[in-house]
Amino acid sequence: SQQGEEDPQALSIQEGENATMNCSYKTSINNLQWYRQNSGRGLVHLILIRSNEREKHSGRLRVTLDTSKKSSSLLITASRAADTASYFCATVNNDMRFGAGTRLTVKP
Amino acid sequence: NAGVTQTPKFQVLKTGQSMTLQCAQDMNHNSMYWYRQDPGMGLRLIYYSASEGTTDKGEVPNGYNVSRLNKREFSLRLESAAPSQTSVYFCASRARGWGGMNTEAFFGQGTRLTVV
Repeated sequence: SQQGEEDPQALSIQEGENATMNCSYKTSINNLQWYRQNSGRGLVHLILIRSNEREKHSGRLRVTLDTSKKSSSLLITASRAADTASYFCATVNNDMRFGAGTRLTVKP
Repeated sequence: NAGVTQTPKFQVLKTGQSMTLQCAQDMNHNSMYWYRQDPGMGLRLIYYSASEGTTDKGEVPNGYNVSRLNKREFSLRLESAAPSQTSVYFCASRARGWGGMNTEAFFGQGTRLTVV
């Protein structure tokens, strides 16, 4: 089974709204990363949060990490139509394992 | 700077045929990974190589073999293709060094494999 599980599986919002995606995982981690994928293309790195960090910001992205609950969330503020994509969390140790992803649709 | 290059981009195989998917990176990364992605699904780790000379099984290694030919190249071989191996295959690489494990991965554009 996959290491991470994203919630929700699909999310549809209007432009300007915020989008929140959650990720739960099973084992201890060195860090957790979020990636974006457009239409089956290769994944692009968004943000990395280390296991000793609780929150991190990058532009319109905010990531939180709760290692006691083995969960993370990705918040995209003021969403745009161009944010429409699939978003995946990845847990990193020696290997790197992905969750099933959240399909985000932002309507103009 | 090409990043991670996968070949071929598309391939159709008959059941029982074999083939090798090639992956090369030019970023001097230590770690390389092979994933498969089925429609509407996330990426599942097939094999990875944490450093040159080492390979380890991931979540779904059955039916696959890998070779870390050198630091640049990491190939994935299907010895006897099955329809269940129809998928999109992604290769990725990641640096390990001063940053330890706290580095991002870079992905190739994928190989779309159909086994009929």
